[in-house]
Amino acid sequence: GEDVEQSLFLSVREGDSSVINCTYTDSSSTYLYWYKQEPGAGLQLLTYIFSNMDMKQDQRLTVLLNKKDKHLSLRIADTQTGDSAIYFCAESSYNTDKLIFGTGTRLQVFP
Amino acid sequence: EAGVVQSPRYKIIEKKQPVAFWCNPISGHNTLYWYLQNLGQGPELLIRYENEEAVDDSQLPKDRFSAERLKGVDSTLKIQPAELGDSAVYLCASSMTGELFFGEGSRLTVL
Repeated sequence: GEDVEQSLFLSVREGDSSVINCTYTDSSSTYLYWYKQEPGAGLQLLTYIFSNMDMKQDQRLTVLLNKKDKHLSLRIADTQTGDSAIYFCAESSYNTDKLIFGTGTRLQVFP
Repeated sequence: EAGVVQSPRYKIIEKKQPVAFWCNPISGHNTLYWYLQNLGQGPELLIRYENEEAVDDSQLPKDRFSAERLKGVDSTLKIQPAELGDSAVYLCASSMTGELFFGEGSRLTVL
């Protein structure tokens, strides 16, 4: 079945860039998403990329997609303490509207 | 505009007791989802509704879990009887054009 994997933890200094990585197995994935979850809150959609794109930039966020390697990354420029949260990668495909989520990467930003 | 509203936010029950969660989606959103999020994991789909019809309930443990969305608006998810392993966060989400909007979740603790 479909599987989405992420590293569990990332720690960065405030002002540095953060890069969160994700790998997936479903070759029919059409959309790939990045969600943010702050403590005690629901998931917030940050950005998404269509599978025929290589890159998408949205302010401080840059998404890179390597479809051949089934690898997705989220780069956060000038990381702030408010970016501390759990980041989930998710994928969906044409033949199902179901989102498959990764296990999440906890980003900790220290001063 | 109000977001997805869930209640209760927290529930503590003893095993074998019943429990119910309620979700009110964003107005106009025809699609409603219930997700299960175990500690340290990403959300997993339990059931998806298009209006009042359950179009994907393949991951719902039907021996103890049930859900309904009678008028195609708000929805309830019930567990009867609850087991220790049901302790988790139950997330509701709704969508109109594909982007999912999540509620804050209902955290269940079964003792």
